[in-house]
Amino acid sequence: SYVLTQPPSVSVAPGKTARITCGGNNIGSKSVHWYQQKPGQAPVLVIYYDSDRPSGIPERFSGSNSGNTATLTISRVEAGDEADYYCQVWDSSSDQEVFGGGTKLTVL
Amino acid sequence: EVQLVESGGGLVQPGGSLRLSCAASGFTFSSYWMSWVRQAPGKGLEWVANIKQDGSEKYYVDSVKGRFTISRDNAKNSLYLQMNSLRAEDTAVYYCGTTSDDYFDYWGQGTLVTVSS
Repeated sequence: SYVLTQPPSVSVAPGKTARITCGGNNIGSKSVHWYQQKPGQAPVLVIYYDSDRPSGIPERFSGSNSGNTATLTISRVEAGDEADYYCQVWDSSSDQEVFGGGTKLTVL
Repeated sequence: EVQLVESGGGLVQPGGSLRLSCAASGFTFSSYWMSWVRQAPGKGLEWVANIKQDGSEKYYVDSVKGRFTISRDNAKNSLYLQMNSLRAEDTAVYYCGTTSDDYFDYWGQGTLVTVSS
């Protein structure tokens, strides 16, 4: 089955840019979606179709996808962005949704 | 406002059964694919199953095939997950979510299932 690989943790200072990667075999040919999950809360969709933002998500959140890596970029990071972030794709070869293992973003 | 409220979780012994429900409101339930996603304590997200608007297509993660059944009742705006032959590794918070194409746009707050003797 398809595997998505994320770094377990990323740390960034407030006001700086955080980049969270999601690796997969030829992931650039798939649509990648990203979720933010804060402790004790349900996940929230922050990016869909690689780079689209749902209404209510700040423009500071952006995404890209090419080759074997998709990237979630958070600009001008704030303390409130501290959370776990998950990438997700639909694997058509197995008819299954697949999540990455998640990345804990720490704001220093 | 979209609302998804899960219920039916609890403590069950290994080998037992449980039926989860998800009550939907604030949107046209019958127009959406729906999904169940779970999260074991301290672990990441795992998709469990999804179902087409009219119930004609269903997909499952390999680990629950033959044990879990997803269903829906559009007249009652409700989604269900029948879980049989439960194992310790099924212990998790179970979320229901709307599914647009292949992403999950709205989520409930989840219901905890604990499989233990």
